[in-house]
Amino acid sequence: QQQVKQSPQSLIVQKGGISIINCAYENTAFDYFPWYQQFPGKGPALLIAIRPDVSEKKEGRFTISFNKSAKQFSLHIMDSQPGDSATYFCAANMDSNYQLIWGAGTKLIIKP
Amino acid sequence: GAGVSQSPRYKVAKRGQDVALRCDPISGHVSLFWYQQALGQGPEFLTYFQNEAQLDKSGLPSDRFFAERPEGSVSTLKIQRTQQEDSAVYLCASSFLRASGGSYNEQFFGPGTRLTVL
Repeated sequence: QQQVKQSPQSLIVQKGGISIINCAYENTAFDYFPWYQQFPGKGPALLIAIRPDVSEKKEGRFTISFNKSAKQFSLHIMDSQPGDSATYFCAANMDSNYQLIWGAGTKLIIKP
Repeated sequence: GAGVSQSPRYKVAKRGQDVALRCDPISGHVSLFWYQQALGQGPEFLTYFQNEAQLDKSGLPSDRFFAERPEGSVSTLKIQRTQQEDSAVYLCASSFLRASGGSYNEQFFGPGTRLTVL
């Protein structure tokens, strides 16, 4: 019930293409869904986050799509650039519980 | 504008040795978290401090793990009698507000300490 399942494990996308990473959760009490970006040798950094009262949130080239009934959410990176190459983690928590439950991560490689 | 810093960045220990990992959070941040990140995995929660009080240590894997934040700023994660399964990256994060979840609780992460136990 506490798990967040993330796929794919790795992804290779051509420069300019769309990168899509998916996550699914079981616990319907989760109400905050952030995405973190992690470069090698660095800690994770918050990229974008969404609450379940909206179905989509866009910040620049990054969009979260949220499907409450399916208990799924995804990250879309438009016009993917080599600088986007990193590991991406989805996460979730409940407003009453500060612990973030993390997905296993997706290693994204953008080919020039 | 310094972020969260951690030291050492890399630590190699022989099995059975004790290690101490340091975290310097962003100045003024109330909350401090420790996470363990195994290779190819997402971070897993270890413990949480609000100022100097350790409010949650439910994620500490064994009584060999101990964390402290005596003055509500710098924190130390200590691992006694290290085992090979302790090899991981240990991440520290801090946030400004008291931990309550939600979008106002952005956690800022340090670069981590990579611990290798031989």
